[in-house]
Amino acid sequence: GQQLNQSPQSMFIQEGEDVSMNCTSSSIFNTWLWYKQDPGEGPVLLIALYKAGELTSNGRLTAQFGITRKDSFLNISASIPSDVGIYFCAGYLLQAGTALIFGKGTTLSVSS
Amino acid sequence: DAGVIQSPRHEVTEMGQEVTLRCKPISGHDYLFWYRQTMMRGLELLIYFNNNVPIDDSGMPEDRFSAKMPNASFSTLKIQPSEPRDSAVYFCASSFSLPGTATNEKLFFGSGTQLSVL
Repeated sequence: GQQLNQSPQSMFIQEGEDVSMNCTSSSIFNTWLWYKQDPGEGPVLLIALYKAGELTSNGRLTAQFGITRKDSFLNISASIPSDVGIYFCAGYLLQAGTALIFGKGTTLSVSS
Repeated sequence: DAGVIQSPRHEVTEMGQEVTLRCKPISGHDYLFWYRQTMMRGLELLIYFNNNVPIDDSGMPEDRFSAKMPNASFSTLKIQPSEPRDSAVYFCASSFSLPGTATNEKLFFGSGTQLSVL
């Protein structure tokens, strides 16, 4: 099936550092979404991107929809301990009837 | 709204037993999704329903898995017989429209069922 390649798989950073993660695919997506999953919970939507080149912020989070429609990145600035969790990218393919496809996630650990 | 409600939160069973996972979507949502999460494969879509009708079940791993949605407020995912490799977290999610097809459309996840098959 279709795949989203998400990297890095895990990150260990110090509080206050900036974080960057990305997703790439060989397929064209018309929507990119970024989710965060806290331990023991389901993923929660952080940012949604609907246009190629779109740059959207949500507080300390910034995400961009790649121009080629095949990639997206998420940046977190000035990380804090509560940023710990698993971050997933998800994409909706440019064809009808398909559901969201998720990347395998980036596990973020923040030490204070 | 209480959100998507899944039960049980944890299920431990022995190989060969039947397992039934339950989900109550958010009221008014027309789409319901079942996902499975493992370390190796991440979040995989198993099946989704639109207005209680299964639309895409291509992600269902094999005939041991079945899902039903008898009405708009209830869905089940059944595994019979269960095997150790079925151990995973199973998520149910719902949305008003197909996520990604409309601006500001959101997919809401339940808290998941942690399944362990011994």
